[in-house]
Amino acid sequence: SQQGEEDPQALSIQEGENATMNCSYKTSINNLQWYRQNSGRGLVHLILIRSNEREKHSGRLRVTLDTSKKSSSLLITASRAADTASYFCATDAPGSQGNLIFGKGTKLSVKP
Amino acid sequence: DTGVSQDPRHKITKRGQNVTFRCDPISEHNRLYWYRQTLGQGPEFLTYFQNEAQLEKSRLLSDRFSAERPKGSFSTLEIQRTEQGDSAMYLCASSPPSGLYNEQFFGPGTRLTVL
Repeated sequence: SQQGEEDPQALSIQEGENATMNCSYKTSINNLQWYRQNSGRGLVHLILIRSNEREKHSGRLRVTLDTSKKSSSLLITASRAADTASYFCATDAPGSQGNLIFGKGTKLSVKP
Repeated sequence: DTGVSQDPRHKITKRGQNVTFRCDPISEHNRLYWYRQTLGQGPEFLTYFQNEAQLEKSRLLSDRFSAERPKGSFSTLEIQRTEQGDSAMYLCASSPPSGLYNEQFFGPGTRLTVL
């Protein structure tokens, strides 16, 4: 079963614009991670935010976490055509063996 | 290339046949995971190894599926008597020994098509 729900399911923007994707989850977590997947390929880890953190930055990425609302957002600033991919949030729940529970993903298309 | 590798990248088989996939994790990683991903969905956890011990299995892993990691290095995932519903991307991931936080490194996946 999938824990996370990303929103929107699909997003189409122009190069240079910002892209915001949201993720909601159901249970308490140790951390929340965002991954990127190019079409038909494996996943690439982007950023991890711990349950006691509220915001984290990495390059053009900004992630927020609101544990009271069980939600997270991923902001990609100044998007590029190469950012076109599917983006997934994944949670690592307390008591788990570290297996990740993924959402269904947001498909981002950045047009040049 | 020191990333996670998977072999084969693509497999087409007929219903009822057995298939086996291999995953080579990053060398110093003792944790290894298998996931399955169908079109339009996120990956779903199948099973987890710490060294050679299989510590967790999803209920998605029916008795037709078996996974091994005999020496705590590479792992194999075998599907017996394949069904069309087994068609999916099978992803392997590994992570280093760690405490609480668990960034996983994924391989490119094996895409299985069952005809």
